Amino acid sequence: NAGVTQTPKFRILKIGQSMTLQCTQDMNHNYMYWYRQDPGMGLKLIYYSVGAGITDKGEVPNGYNVSRSTTEDFPLRLELAAPSQTSVYFCASRIAGTGSDNEQFFGPGTRLTVL
Amino acid sequence: DAKTTQPPSMDCAEGRAANLPCNHSTISGNEYVYWYRQIHSQGPQYIIHGLKNNETNEMASLIITEDRKSSTLILPHATLRDTAVYYCIVIYGNTGKLIFGQGTTLQVKP
Repeated sequence: NAGVTQTPKFRILKIGQSMTLQCTQDMNHNYMYWYRQDPGMGLKLIYYSVGAGITDKGEVPNGYNVSRSTTEDFPLRLELAAPSQTSVYFCASRIAGTGSDNEQFFGPGTRLTVL
Repeated sequence: DAKTTQPPSMDCAEGRAANLPCNHSTISGNEYVYWYRQIHSQGPQYIIHGLKNNETNEMASLIITEDRKSSTLILPHATLRDTAVYYCIVIYGNTGKLIFGQGTTLQVKP
């Protein structure tokens, strides 16, 4: 298994541009998550999905959109990039389960700079 | 979700045990304690979790106090590759939402 893969690894955007961060997992996990991590800080949850067709907001959803049309893919969309969105973005997945089964598998991250 | 408090940084000598504390005094009965670590800006990596009992796996041991208000992650023989930021997280229910704090930066020294 490749696990959780993210593309691109790096990206520089101009203010106002849009882009989609891709996330794919091949573990047949139902739950998927998007986090962002600013320098020196812990990760913050942007959006999550408990299955295809179902998404919900996390702590910091403003400025982002997601969709979940398949189990494998969970793209994150930035519509109007702003400097405040400069961050490292991590995608994660886990198999559905109870609170005792919450090992999340993280991708390698996408480093985004908005200038 | 219960809040956790961790020391911002700790040092440990290579080969010695690293004991990382976490305070979660507002934890409720159904909330699990999870530990993740993040090595140099890579994606976080799951280490271990527990509810009431002490737990051990190939990576670490987790000691949870009887009142469940605090816990300690133990890396029995720390190596240089264990240098990382360690996050203690309390989770309830099935959504699996992880609320990360600042974590503890563990520096393992030769």
